[in-house]
Amino acid sequence: EAQVTQNPRYLITVTGKKLTVTCSQNMNHEYMSWYRQDPGLGLRQIYYSMNVEVTDKGDVPEGYKVSRKEKRNFPLILESPSPNQTSLYFCASSLPGGEKLFFGSGTQLSVL
Amino acid sequence: GDSVTQMEGPVTLSEEAFLTINCTYTATGYPSLFWYVQYPGEGLQLLLKATKADDKGSNKGFEATYRKETTSFHLEKGSVQVSDSAVYFCAPLPMNRDDKIIFGKGTRLHILP
Repeated sequence: EAQVTQNPRYLITVTGKKLTVTCSQNMNHEYMSWYRQDPGLGLRQIYYSMNVEVTDKGDVPEGYKVSRKEKRNFPLILESPSPNQTSLYFCASSLPGGEKLFFGSGTQLSVL
Repeated sequence: GDSVTQMEGPVTLSEEAFLTINCTYTATGYPSLFWYVQYPGEGLQLLLKATKADDKGSNKGFEATYRKETTSFHLEKGSVQVSDSAVYFCAPLPMNRDDKIIFGKGTRLHILP
C-alpha cells in the first residue's frame, strides 16, 4: 500500500531536549516536504527536498533541521525545541511537479 | 507572489444541505487548482483537481470549476452528509513548477445530523 509513515504519532517533550520525527515513503517519490499546522494559520511549509541530498527552506524553517540521505526518508530534527514549536506536523511526498501530494497521518508535538 | 484566499470557517450545516466553500487565488499565468480534505485525526488527501480553465474537478459528490475570469475555484456539494465533516483546503499549484503548492488556511466544515 502506497503510504507516507510518520513516527511518533504523539510526542510530549521538554524545552531544549533534542528530538527527531521520522518520515518514510514507499512510492519512490523525489519530492518530500514538512509542514506544520496551527489553528488560524493553516498549513505552513518548514523544509522541502526535491531529491536526495537536496533540501531547501520553506516559509518557517527557524529552529528546524532536515536531511535527505536516502530517497525514502526525510527526518525532521528539532535540536533545541521550544514551546512555540508545539504544533501538528505533517510530512508529505509527491512525484516531480507536485500534482498530487501524499500526506502522513501527522505528529502532534507538545513542548513544555 | 501567488496567493490563495478561502472562506473562513467553521461552516455548520444540516445534513442534506447545499455546500459552497469559496476560494479565490492570485497567480502569474494559469496554475493547476486542487482541493484537499483533512478528516479528523488524519493527514490531508487530494479531493479533486482541475488543470486548465473551465475544467471541472469532481469526486465523492463534490465539484469545483476552474474559473479563469474570476480566478476562483469554489467547492460545491449538492447534499452534504455527516461524514463530510472535515477541514477543506484550496491549493493552487503555480505554473512554474519550481514554485511550491500554496495552501489556503482551511475551512472547517461541521455537518449536523
